[in-house]
Amino acid sequence: AIQMTQSPSSLSASVGDRVTITCRASQGIRNDLGWYQQKPGKAPKLLIYAASSLQSGVPSRFSGSGSGTDFTLTISSLQPEDFATYYCLQDYNYPHTFGGGTKVEIK
Amino acid sequence: QVQLVESGGGLVKPGGSLRLSCAASGFTFSDYYMSWIRQAPGKGLEWVSYISSSGSTIYYADSVKGRFTISRDNAKNSLYLQMNSLRAEDTAVYYCSLGVDYWGQGTLVTVSS
Repeated sequence: AIQMTQSPSSLSASVGDRVTITCRASQGIRNDLGWYQQKPGKAPKLLIYAASSLQSGVPSRFSGSGSGTDFTLTISSLQPEDFATYYCLQDYNYPHTFGGGTKVEIK
Repeated sequence: QVQLVESGGGLVKPGGSLRLSCAASGFTFSDYYMSWIRQAPGKGLEWVSYISSSGSTIYYADSVKGRFTISRDNAKNSLYLQMNSLRAEDTAVYYCSLGVDYWGQGTLVTVSS
């Protein structure tokens, strides 16, 4: 199975900060990667699909980039509602695999 | 709008069985593949199983292969997960998802004696 290594596992940031989260795949996955946001007690919500496409209704401060093995989720200006846990998911092949998650906390 | 509602979770003893259901609405169910994904308490996400739109192609995570069975009834707009030989490590919130795009709110399965 493809391993997805996500970093950092947690970070502290302030409102207005630029935040970057990375995922590295153990083998090439083209651009078959999504990013999810999860708030406590809620289901994950898709933010980015196909590595860089913004899901409908998601604010434009979220962006994704990368292809092959290295991927990045960027939040250009962190807002109070963005404090959450973020996961990447490779849907290149089965079994699909998630990164370990990044918890974004208030500094 | 897409709505996915899971049911069937609960407390079960190790070695027991449980059947989860997911009622889908707001989209043409028979056109889409579906998935089950789970999350153990305080842990990350784990993909569990996939079923194609017709039900002819199915995949499982190694951790559940041989114990769980995914199925669907396109006439009833419903997805199922039959879980047998349950173990403590199967304790999790189980989510059904449309592809991997839209998720239900989940149903909690607790395996404990």
